[in-house]
Amino acid sequence: GAGVSQTPSNKVTEKGKYVELRCDPISGHTALYWYRQSLGQGPEFLIYFQGTGAADDSGLPNDRFFAVRPEGSVSTLKIQRTERGDSAVYLCASSLTTGLTDTQYFGPGTRLTVL
Amino acid sequence: AQSVTQLDSQVPVFEEAPVELRCNYSSSVSVYLFWYVQYPNQGLQLLLKYLSGSTLVKGINGFEAEFNKSQTSFHLRKPSVHISDTAEYFCAVSVPNQAGTALIFGKGTTLSVSS
Repeated sequence: GAGVSQTPSNKVTEKGKYVELRCDPISGHTALYWYRQSLGQGPEFLIYFQGTGAADDSGLPNDRFFAVRPEGSVSTLKIQRTERGDSAVYLCASSLTTGLTDTQYFGPGTRLTVL
Repeated sequence: AQSVTQLDSQVPVFEEAPVELRCNYSSSVSVYLFWYVQYPNQGLQLLLKYLSGSTLVKGINGFEAEFNKSQTSFHLRKPSVHISDTAEYFCAVSVPNQAGTALIFGKGTTLSVSS
């Protein structure tokens, strides 16, 4: 079946602008995760959803970052007043449940560049 | 706090040679351990995972890893690599929390296989 998809694949924006990044998880997966991967680093956890609710948002760096998943499927990561330091690849992953043994399946990522 | 250290940022190797990618973790509680591979312009793909039981775990594409609790290591090995194994490899641990699990990744190891 279809894997996790993310749009856009690339996003270039100017400092101070607002951006939205979209994630379509694997159908039927209840858990959805957002990670951020900076150059030369491993992915860093941002937030995860169990169904429609954000179960853990401890990784969000500040209040400029926000994510929603209104119908328990597609999720949108929103970044306000973007800064150059926000430039990174934003990864989305989904898993069947939030069980410790469930595999997280990753999308190809959205590369965000803030000029 | 939990952390993951990948001891080698780059590993060059010739085709058909054996390879070992090293991973050490730090945790005060039991964790699950994972290896993911990231091919150019693709999402992270799970190679293998250790949850419990046998400390030698076999994964896809001929890779295996051994969990060593006393040395807090989870090194990845392959007896004979192919050009197609050239990719970025990430070691990760999952950390149980109240509502679910997030992955903590190392910084990655770039495996470069040449002929």
